[in-house]
Amino acid sequence: QVQLVQSGAEVKKPGASVKVSCKASGYSFTGNSIHWVRQAPGQGLEWMGWIIPSNGGTIYAPKFQARVTMTVDRSINTAYMEVTSLRSDDTAIYYCARDNGGTFHSWGQGTLVTVSS
Amino acid sequence: DIQMTQSPSSLSASVGDRVSITCRASQGITNSLAWYQQKPGEAPKLLLYATSKLQSGVPSRFSGSGSGTEHILTITSLQPEDSATYYCHQYYTTPNTFGQGTKLEI
Repeated sequence: QVQLVQSGAEVKKPGASVKVSCKASGYSFTGNSIHWVRQAPGQGLEWMGWIIPSNGGTIYAPKFQARVTMTVDRSINTAYMEVTSLRSDDTAIYYCARDNGGTFHSWGQGTLVTVSS
Repeated sequence: DIQMTQSPSSLSASVGDRVSITCRASQGITNSLAWYQQKPGEAPKLLLYATSKLQSGVPSRFSGSGSGTEHILTITSLQPEDSATYYCHQYYTTPNTFGQGTKLEI
């Protein structure tokens, strides 16, 4: 079955960077885009962008364009999402999700990133 | 960006009731609208896509309707396990956007 397994929780200081991984299994990794969505504590869902694993093409939400980089390693079926210049309001659970026709049919378990001095 | 406005933000209902949640888009999104259910501590789960198509394994008491700017999620014969927060999601254009969520208490 389709599975997306994300890396573990992180604690970072303001100004640092964090890189979250999302390992896919159960389907052809290059066949579907991967989206990243975040959720601040007690808040709603916020779309960050997506990456096309077959060619590495990316589209970022304007809010994240300057500080977020999405990449893939096709040799190990893994997508990555890096956020730089972390601020306290980047504290959130970060999810990866598999695209199917534009919607998110499968989700990772989420990675909590805490930004605190 | 397309703004998605959900209403109500919360509601309380009883087992067996029927409830509806509305999502209004700031511009037309055709039928590019999905609904997700999220329970505390869990990732969101896809319920419906393309406005009214039921995701595999989702009970038929969930249904969706609408087009253009107004879309509705209806849950009939509420069950205790339907207690969750529900989000609409437009994928008509980037950036994708979500509604702010509706917390349903049974």
